[in-house]
Amino acid sequence: TQLLEQSPQFLSIQEGENLTVYCNSSSVFSSLQWYRQEPGEGPVLLVTVVTGGEVKKLKRLTFQFGDARKDSSLHITAAQPGDTGLYLCAGGANAGGTSYGKLTFGQGTILTVHP
Amino acid sequence: NAGVTQTPKFRVLKTGQSMTLLCAQDMNHEYMYWYRQDPGMGLRLIHYSVGEGTTAKGEVPDGYNVSRLKKQNFLLGLESAAPSQTSVYFCASSYVWGTEAFFGQGTRLTVV
Repeated sequence: TQLLEQSPQFLSIQEGENLTVYCNSSSVFSSLQWYRQEPGEGPVLLVTVVTGGEVKKLKRLTFQFGDARKDSSLHITAAQPGDTGLYLCAGGANAGGTSYGKLTFGQGTILTVHP
Repeated sequence: NAGVTQTPKFRVLKTGQSMTLLCAQDMNHEYMYWYRQDPGMGLRLIHYSVGEGTTAKGEVPDGYNVSRLKKQNFLLGLESAAPSQTSVYFCASSYVWGTEAFFGQGTRLTVV
């Protein structure tokens, strides 16, 4: 079973602060995605990373995939109240394996940004 | 553009009753997934499908069955509902492996 551990589980910060959310596993993933979910809605994709060491930026959000493709991080600079939500990482199983096509999620990080 | 549609949106069942949740996607996606979401547990994969006529077990398949008779539909069945199956259920689909998964709006199921 491929498990993704996210930390921290809860994060409560003031507007303007920086934060980092981590996603770790003992398994190698062929791709890793970050989603954001708002109450009453399904998750929506933020980014996909596929190459070890890859860094992607989306405005104030920076995503990094570990060199060994077992971990990832999401860094938010100067957080705003609009960033409040549940952030989920998801890993795609290696092609050709018995779990081909499987998409496994971490338990999520609930972020609250106070004005 | 409908995307991924789940029906019903809410349901209350009595213990032992059965029901089927329907997921329909209009994006011609090959991959479809059923997840359940409980507080503090993120999304846990119940079953998934990599194409019409195929299904596979996820992390928490017990008590659930699925079918993918048509490419656009993925059905999740509960044969004998239990209170432990009270949860929010999400269906998702993606075009190919590793690409964006699109989610429905969820079904809130309560088993009493």
